[in-house]
Amino acid sequence: QKEVEQNSGPLSVPEGAIASLNCTYSDRGSQSFFWYRQYSGKSPELIMFIYSNGDKEDGRFTAQLNKASQYVSLLIRDSQPSDSATYLCAVKGRGSTLGRLYFGRGTQLTVWP
Amino acid sequence: SQTIHQWPATLVQPVGSPLSLECTVEGTSNPNLYWYRQAAGRGLQLLFYSVGIGQISSEVPQNLSASRPQDRQFILSSKKLLLSDSGFYLCAWSVGQVSNYGYTFGSGTRLTVV
Repeated sequence: QKEVEQNSGPLSVPEGAIASLNCTYSDRGSQSFFWYRQYSGKSPELIMFIYSNGDKEDGRFTAQLNKASQYVSLLIRDSQPSDSATYLCAVKGRGSTLGRLYFGRGTQLTVWP
Repeated sequence: SQTIHQWPATLVQPVGSPLSLECTVEGTSNPNLYWYRQAAGRGLQLLFYSVGIGQISSEVPQNLSASRPQDRQFILSSKKLLLSDSGFYLCAWSVGQVSNYGYTFGSGTRLTVV
């Protein structure tokens, strides 16, 4: 499987702070990248996708992609206790693995009041 | 709108027993379907992938198998469960292979093999 690496954390930030979640991937030719949020005991839900270098913003969330460095990140501004969850980075395969999503192990985020 | 159903929600099975988990998708046709497993403390591992009826690709060799008897039905099976099969099993669907919209996951089945 494709390698997708994330810091397992846990990452702990106070309410209102910026949480920064990082992810690196092994396949230099990868084109599409996804961030999922998974609450404890629940299934993952898609937060954002990005496929162009640079930043993509959606509300309090910003995804950043740097293909040259094979690096994708997720910033959560004004973090809320409800953001406490595990965040999964995923990379879409290409070539013989086209259409398949490969996930990192996730970073556990805790936002304390 | 599209919905994905997965059952049962929880399952406790003895070692050596068979397994059958079912997943169905509504509101779309010819979806790509996937089975993932999430073991304790580990990431999501892709097990099987299907682009159509009877078309199954396996990512990891194991004692599990998958079948797709109908367009929107995906089944995960085992003839004899191992302790190492315990985990959170997730079914997911997507539209096509090049979509940038990721997957939508079902609610999952938490399997404990005892």
